[in-house]
Amino acid sequence: DTGVSQDPRHKITKRGQNVTFRCDPISEHNRLYWYRQTLGQGPEFLTYFQNEAQLEKSRLLSDRFSAERPKGSFSTLEIQRTEQGDSAMYLCASTDTGGSYNEQFFGPGTRLTVL
Amino acid sequence: QKEVEQDPGPLSVPEGAIVSLNCTYSNSAFQYFMWYRQYSRKGPELLMYTYSSGNKEDGRFTAQVDKSSKYISLFIRDSQPSDSATYLCAMIRAGGTSYGKLTFGQGTILTVHP
Repeated sequence: DTGVSQDPRHKITKRGQNVTFRCDPISEHNRLYWYRQTLGQGPEFLTYFQNEAQLEKSRLLSDRFSAERPKGSFSTLEIQRTEQGDSAMYLCASTDTGGSYNEQFFGPGTRLTVL
Repeated sequence: QKEVEQDPGPLSVPEGAIVSLNCTYSNSAFQYFMWYRQYSRKGPELLMYTYSSGNKEDGRFTAQVDKSSKYISLFIRDSQPSDSATYLCAMIRAGGTSYGKLTFGQGTILTVHP
């Protein structure tokens, strides 16, 4: 499968615990995005990377959230001291750049439940 | 007020019906307009995109953009039960396509019953 993959697909944790999600983009895609989707809502932008550089962060990304993309390949999103309000689907998308329009390809998401 | 507004539905239609889905937006800087389909517990997949105003057709799907009214539509002809999904409109600001941050509507839940 050459699409975007995310791991784990589901995560249940207790409030106050730390969690880490992984995203593997389509090979050679240099741009990677993270979005968060709560129930009944559309995805909301969190942050994005151009290669290994994190270029923009949403104000939704509090200081409990951190994202990395070492070596410009896979990316991780960590949430520290989880809260019930963090329960959501975390989506990763990747794209290449250079054309007039570059489709973002989404992964299946990681569904986080904070008890 | 959200930048992109979309009626969440739910919308239920019989097989073969014409479906009309709509979004309004407030930011005139949006230049690329997309429609995504999302099945339950899956990531969104792109159906169509349109640059600026105009119409675009792809099989049973037609996308329309009216920038003067800040209004976009997706029409589905001869709807099928397999079209049952959540439909999300999304937009990108001008000059920003290579930066690509998508702003989504809330999504409309569509059910096509046989």
